[in-house]
Amino acid sequence: ETGVTQSPTHLIKTRGQQVTLRCSSQSGHNTVSWYQQALGQGPQFIFQYYREEENGRGNFPPRFSGLQFPNYSSELNVNALELDDSALYLCASSAYNEQFFGPGTRLTVL
Amino acid sequence: GQQVMQIPQYQHVQEGEDFTTYCNSSTTLSNIQWYKQRPGGHPVFLIQLVKSGEVKKQKRLTFQFGEAKKNSSLHITATQTTDVGTYFCAGLETSGTYKYIFGTGTRLKVLA
Repeated sequence: ETGVTQSPTHLIKTRGQQVTLRCSSQSGHNTVSWYQQALGQGPQFIFQYYREEENGRGNFPPRFSGLQFPNYSSELNVNALELDDSALYLCASSAYNEQFFGPGTRLTVL
Repeated sequence: GQQVMQIPQYQHVQEGEDFTTYCNSSTTLSNIQWYKQRPGGHPVFLIQLVKSGEVKKQKRLTFQFGEAKKNSSLHITATQTTDVGTYFCAGLETSGTYKYIFGTGTRLKVLA
């Protein structure tokens, strides 16, 4: 196990709702990245936080937002959910370059 | 923007056969990482390559980084059923933002 935990494991929401996903990074890791992985696809980079500041963002709209806390845990918030937001959401913590992924949160939007 | 493609998309091999997946980037990469994702699991870090022309080995796995730092390959010798999964490369983009761009993945099935 990587020591990276995510909650919840599964989530079902309806279109238009808002969702918050949580990630606890591995001890000592000050960087957290979030990815969206659609079925059969590779992970798509959403954004990265380093020491509570966003320092990189992929091609996702502003309704995808995040936070990193002083203990380096992180949240991903998605507003106005759309059907295409259904995916596995992965967080990955790192101290240098190696990324340790959590088990993911499976989000289904109906 | 940067794109990272992998071929083949799928590969079925008989146990004991070799397997190779290729990763190609539209731009020069700072470094490249390889990950393995088992069905229903999450990506697991395998290795990172940084230098042009670098070759690294992990038991039956051999990783190469191209001279131009735009392509990479993963070769598995004598596949085993435990090698089943999807292999992703991820290239580091540092122009403007710091982010890893994952490839499209190669799904490997090993027939016993």
